[in-house]
Amino acid sequence: EPEVTQTPSHQVTQMGQEVILRCVPISNHLYFYWYRQILGQKVEFLVSFYNNEISEKSEIFDDQFSVERPDGSNFTLKIRSTKLEDSAMYFCASSEGKRGTTYEQYFGPGTRLTVT
Amino acid sequence: AQSVTQPDIHITVSEGASLELRCNYSYGATPYLFWYVQSPGQGLQLLLKYFSGDTLVQGIKGFEAEFKRSQSSFNLRKPSVHWSDAAEYFCAVDTPLPFGNTGKLIFGQGTTLQVKP
Repeated sequence: EPEVTQTPSHQVTQMGQEVILRCVPISNHLYFYWYRQILGQKVEFLVSFYNNEISEKSEIFDDQFSVERPDGSNFTLKIRSTKLEDSAMYFCASSEGKRGTTYEQYFGPGTRLTVT
Repeated sequence: AQSVTQPDIHITVSEGASLELRCNYSYGATPYLFWYVQSPGQGLQLLLKYFSGDTLVQGIKGFEAEFKRSQSSFNLRKPSVHWSDAAEYFCAVDTPLPFGNTGKLIFGQGTTLQVKP
């Protein structure tokens, strides 16, 4: 069964460093998303992406964050200058469509980001 | 703004017993509704969803959920729980728009299910 994959599974970085989290969405999916889950808290939406553009972003997704689809398969989340509060599990998701039966977001296993 | 409430943070049931996890949402119209499960160290797995039609939806692993518009609820049920069902369960909603959903899932706080032997 097709699945969303994410690398690395765990990333440790120092405050102020740049990190890139990578995702490979399901191959026929057109919509891509990033979420994060701070330990013990809700899963929070960060950004959605379609047709090489951001469709929607949350207040969390400030200028320190960016997303890119550098080729036909990868979808990346970059944090330019990490802060301690960026420590969280980051989930990538994808969906085939955005309405009706095609709208199911499939999540990857997550990347645990630890900022020290 | 939309919100999702899962009133039970932690539930313990005996193996073989029935299960109901509660989810309430606040939104004027009928949103798209989802239940996800997260096992320790794992990602989120979609159990089932509702967006229209029959208000009782069947999902994977023997789960079902019932949409009740009058109560703004989408409760998850399973008739007989197995030890492997121990996990965290999340209810989520999205806003339907004329051209498609926002793509922004709003999640509840989650309910941790513990299964006693």
